[in-house]
Amino acid sequence: GAVVSQHPSRVICKSGTSVKIECRSLDFQATTMFWYRQFPKKSLMLMATSNEGSKATYEQGVEKDKFLINHASLTLSTLTVTSAHPEDSSFYICSARRLAGVLWDTDTQYFGPGTRLTVL
Amino acid sequence: GQQLNQSPQSMFIQEGEDVSMNCTSSSIFNTWLWYKQDPGEGPVLLIALYKAGELTSNGRLTAQFGITRKDSFLNISASIPSDVGIYFCAGQLNGGSQGNLIFGKGTKLSVKP
Repeated sequence: GAVVSQHPSRVICKSGTSVKIECRSLDFQATTMFWYRQFPKKSLMLMATSNEGSKATYEQGVEKDKFLINHASLTLSTLTVTSAHPEDSSFYICSARRLAGVLWDTDTQYFGPGTRLTVL
Repeated sequence: GQQLNQSPQSMFIQEGEDVSMNCTSSSIFNTWLWYKQDPGEGPVLLIALYKAGELTSNGRLTAQFGITRKDSFLNISASIPSDVGIYFCAGQLNGGSQGNLIFGKGTKLSVKP
C-alpha cells in the first residue's frame, strides 16, 4: 500500500513555542492532504484540508492563525502549531489522498503514523 | 451534517471467534473505507469499497458496501490476538475536491487468547 510518513513522531515543547509537523507521501503525489486531531479514545477530527499550491481549507472552529498549513509540493504538507498551549496537546495525524488515475471517485486516503504533541 | 453510527463500540471475544461490526448513515456515500488503528499509530487502510453491493475480501477480512449506500459491514474470521485494535469505518461523499472522510466513532476489539 501507499506510504505516508510524519515527522516528528513525538514532540514535547514549552508553552508559547511553535512546533512544525511534516507529512510526506513517499511513493505517490498528493495534491490534497488532510490534517486530523485525535483525542484519547476518540475518533479522528478533521482540522483542515491542505491543497498543493493554494490556501488550506479549515473546518469550522479551527483557528487558521493558530494552525498554519503549508502544502508547497506534491509530496509535503506541514502543520505548524503556533504559540502552543497545554490544551493543544494531542495526537495529530495527516493523510494523503491518492488518486486512481482519472477515476477520481475511487481515490483513497492513506494515513501517516501520527505525531504526539505534548505542551508543557 | 453527515454522521456515521458505528457499532458495537467495543467487543471482547475469544481467539478463533468471528467478528462483525457495521456502520450506518443517514446519508448516501459513494465510498466506504475500513481502517484499523493500533495504539499510538495512524489508521491503516484495510478495505476500500467503491460500488454499492460490492463485497471485498482481504485475507480474513470481508467488507460489504450496502446496496442502499447507507451502510457497510466488516467481518473478521477466526480472530487472532494481533487483531486487537480500534476499527474505524469512514464514508466519503464525493471524490475530487470534496473527498472528505466522515469517520465512525470506532469499534474497540479485544481478543482473549
